[in-house]
Amino acid sequence: GAVVSQHPSRVICKSGTSVKIECRSLDFQATTMFWYRQFPKQSLMLMATSNEGSKATYEQGVEKDKFLINHASLTLSTLTVTSAHPEDSSFYICSARDLPEAKNIQYFGAGTRLSVL
Amino acid sequence: RKEVEQDPGPFNVPEGATVAFNCTYSNSASQSFFWYRQDCRKEPKLLMSVYSSGNEDGRFTAQLNRASQYISLLIRDSKLSDSATYLCVVNRDDKIIFGKGTRLHILP
Repeated sequence: GAVVSQHPSRVICKSGTSVKIECRSLDFQATTMFWYRQFPKQSLMLMATSNEGSKATYEQGVEKDKFLINHASLTLSTLTVTSAHPEDSSFYICSARDLPEAKNIQYFGAGTRLSVL
Repeated sequence: RKEVEQDPGPFNVPEGATVAFNCTYSNSASQSFFWYRQDCRKEPKLLMSVYSSGNEDGRFTAQLNRASQYISLLIRDSKLSDSATYLCVVNRDDKIIFGKGTRLHILP
């Protein structure tokens, strides 16, 4: 199946640091990628939809200036958590949809566990 | 009402038993349907797509009922390794909507 690589898998940082997470589709092109956040024992929450070559679409309540998304190529999207604070500690997961998009199957990265001290 | 609803469980089921989950969706314009499995502290992984004709993959059978707007997942001869959270996923237009998941614990 299609593979999505997410890096890093684990980040521990001090409050106020910015953290960048990369999501790559390894064997297919993804015009659309998705960023999710999951708190312990909670369901996945969609943060934003990342569109190649255009601005990301953010879900209600997600601060676009805090969670910067860049989708510069068909195989790479990045999420930067700017000035991270302890409440940003969470499991961040990206996904990409395989082409042709009619398939609508999402493949997930392995996730990034962020701990802000 | 949530667009995709699942019983959160947990379902505690003895090993070897058959277990079934349902998931309901509210928007009749929904186009495609999936079951994902998520293990603790891991990413969701695609289990199977769901079709109106029903589809089977080994011990797993998925069914879509468009008239009643629900999808189901049946697991036969359950194994300890089936313990996980099962996510119902519905696609409508360009939106992908996840259910909150059903937790399954297989008991030895």
